Amino acid sequence: EDQVTQSPEALRLQEGESSSLNCSYTVSGLRGLFWYRQDPGKGPEFLFTLYSAGEEKEKERLKATLTKKESFLHITAPKPEDSATYLCAVEKAGTALIFGKGTTLSVSS
Amino acid sequence: DVKVTQSSRYLVKRTGEKVFLECVQDMDHENMFWYRQDPGLGLRLIYFSYDVKMKEKGDIPEGYSVSREKKERFSLILESASTNQTSMYLCASSIKTGGSNQPQHFGDGTRLSIL
Repeated sequence: EDQVTQSPEALRLQEGESSSLNCSYTVSGLRGLFWYRQDPGKGPEFLFTLYSAGEEKEKERLKATLTKKESFLHITAPKPEDSATYLCAVEKAGTALIFGKGTTLSVSS
Repeated sequence: DVKVTQSSRYLVKRTGEKVFLECVQDMDHENMFWYRQDPGLGLRLIYFSYDVKMKEKGDIPEGYSVSREKKERFSLILESASTNQTSMYLCASSIKTGGSNQPQHFGDGTRLSIL
């Protein structure tokens, strides 16, 4: 069965304390892996797309990487404004996205 | 920037009512999607559409229908609302390409309560 699992469910960091979020997947025919950020009461906001193992993308304090079985979202020196829920989703050939349940990140000053 | 607009942020309806949720996108995207988001369950796909008048069932279509009469508009219909359809409903759109996949862009959601 196709599945996307994110860990941890929740993560609390101090400002400046770097860490990583994990997204592991078991799908055949992966067409792309997407990372989104979701703030409370808002829709998901697109961050990155990764297409093949070894690919990396960066945006400000965020860096996403992809292997054949998982993706990591690395957060370097986070700030309180990075607090949000981060969602991972994969796209199979010919189908819509399969979402993980998300990791809720809280960064305190 | 892509703009996906959902007609209501909050909606309260009664059991048995027929409920319409509207979504409009302004970027001429071919693909449109309806999800519901529940705590502990994440986003689940209800229906999607790859073109006008075309629809495909997602993972949880029971109790819902959709309409896509114009390219920019995708409507979700709850035929006879029930309390277990209380949820956050999210609409998304994306461009159709023959090659690499483009991300879906989301609206801010409609929080629907069925009493």
